[in-house]
Amino acid sequence: GQQLNQSPQSMFIQEGEDVSMNCTSSSIFNTWLWYKQDPGEGPVLLIALYKAGELTSNGRLTAQFGITRKDSFLNISASIPSDVGIYFCAGQVSGSRLTFGEGTQLTVNP
Amino acid sequence: DTGVSQDPRHKITKRGQNVTFRCDPISEHNRLYWYRQTLGQGPEFLTYFQNEAQLEKSRLLSDRFSAERPKGSFSTLEIQRTEQGDSAMYLCASSLLQGKEAEAFFGQGTRLTVV
Repeated sequence: GQQLNQSPQSMFIQEGEDVSMNCTSSSIFNTWLWYKQDPGEGPVLLIALYKAGELTSNGRLTAQFGITRKDSFLNISASIPSDVGIYFCAGQVSGSRLTFGEGTQLTVNP
Repeated sequence: DTGVSQDPRHKITKRGQNVTFRCDPISEHNRLYWYRQTLGQGPEFLTYFQNEAQLEKSRLLSDRFSAERPKGSFSTLEIQRTEQGDSAMYLCASSLLQGKEAEAFFGQGTRLTVV
């Protein structure tokens, strides 16, 4: 089945640093999404990408839909303590299920 | 609050018991999804509904699992004869049918512990 490989698995950074994480797949997706999940809570949608090559920003977050349709990255600029959490990429082929990566655990040291 | 609502938030049950979870989606959303998430993993798709029709079921959804959405609004997920391996977070999500259908909004989840 489809699998998403997300890297890195974890990151430890200082407050104020920029962060970059990515997601790759062996198969094509038509939509890429990025979610953030806090402990004991459901994932919260951050950014959705619909076109190959698309670059979209949401505040300090920027994400891109890879031209090959097999990858995506998420950047966080000027990190703050509340950015701590697990970030998941998710891909959708069409119409139904999302396939999720295994997540990147982000720790921000004040 | 008009987000996705799940009940209960936590459930502890003995092995062999049946459990039922409820999900109330965002009111105008046609699609409703159930996912399961175990520790250290991303959510895994179980099933989804478009209005009241169940359109897809994952192979993860064994015969002990059943989901319904009788009137196209709230949904229930029942697990019969629970096993320890069923312990997980069960997440519900909803999305619009047209346009941004990929943008699934999740509830807070139901944490199931089978002892």
